[in-house]
Amino acid sequence: GAVVSQHPSWVICKSGTSVKIECRSLDFQATTMFWYRQFPKQSLMLMATSNEGSKATYEQGVEKDKFLINHASLTLSTLTVTSAHPEDSSFYICSASLKGKEQFFGPGTRLTVL
Amino acid sequence: QKEVEQDPGPLSVPEGAIVSLNCTYSNSAFQYFMWYRQYSRKGPELLMYTYSSGNKEDGRFTAQVDKSSKYISLFIRDSQPSDSATYLCAMSERSDKLIFGTGTRLQVFP
Repeated sequence: GAVVSQHPSWVICKSGTSVKIECRSLDFQATTMFWYRQFPKQSLMLMATSNEGSKATYEQGVEKDKFLINHASLTLSTLTVTSAHPEDSSFYICSASLKGKEQFFGPGTRLTVL
Repeated sequence: QKEVEQDPGPLSVPEGAIVSLNCTYSNSAFQYFMWYRQYSRKGPELLMYTYSSGNKEDGRFTAQVDKSSKYISLFIRDSQPSDSATYLCAMSERSDKLIFGTGTRLQVFP
């Protein structure tokens, strides 16, 4: 099956710093990648959708200047949380799909902002 | 009203039981329906993917979609302790933007 990896799996940072999370599709070329956020005991909430080589489309209420998404190639997308604050602490999960077919999810990145 | 409603559970069943998980939704434009399994602190794993109405079976798992009732189900036969996880339903209009349910936590005890 399709494999999606994320790095790092867990990160702790100080308030005010920026954190970059990588999402890679390992065995297929993903035309579209998605970024989700999941708070404890809650469901996944879509943050943004990115297509390779174009700007990401952000969901309502998600600050594009705070959550920078880059989709430089068909196998790599990055999410940078800029000037992170404790309320940004969450589980960030990416997914990748090929030509509108089912999404395959990465293992997630747990971000803790002190 | 949420677009997708799912009972959060927890649902606790003995090993070998048949498990029934359900979601209801309000958007009649949804055409693609999925079930994911998520273990604690892990990403969701796709279990079943269904387009439009009907049944789909894969091993011990059966997914049903009733678009007239806006109701989808996942049945797990011969449940095992390893099935203990949170099960998320998800759906979309064009197989791109997924709307997730809150997830049902399942516990299968030996």
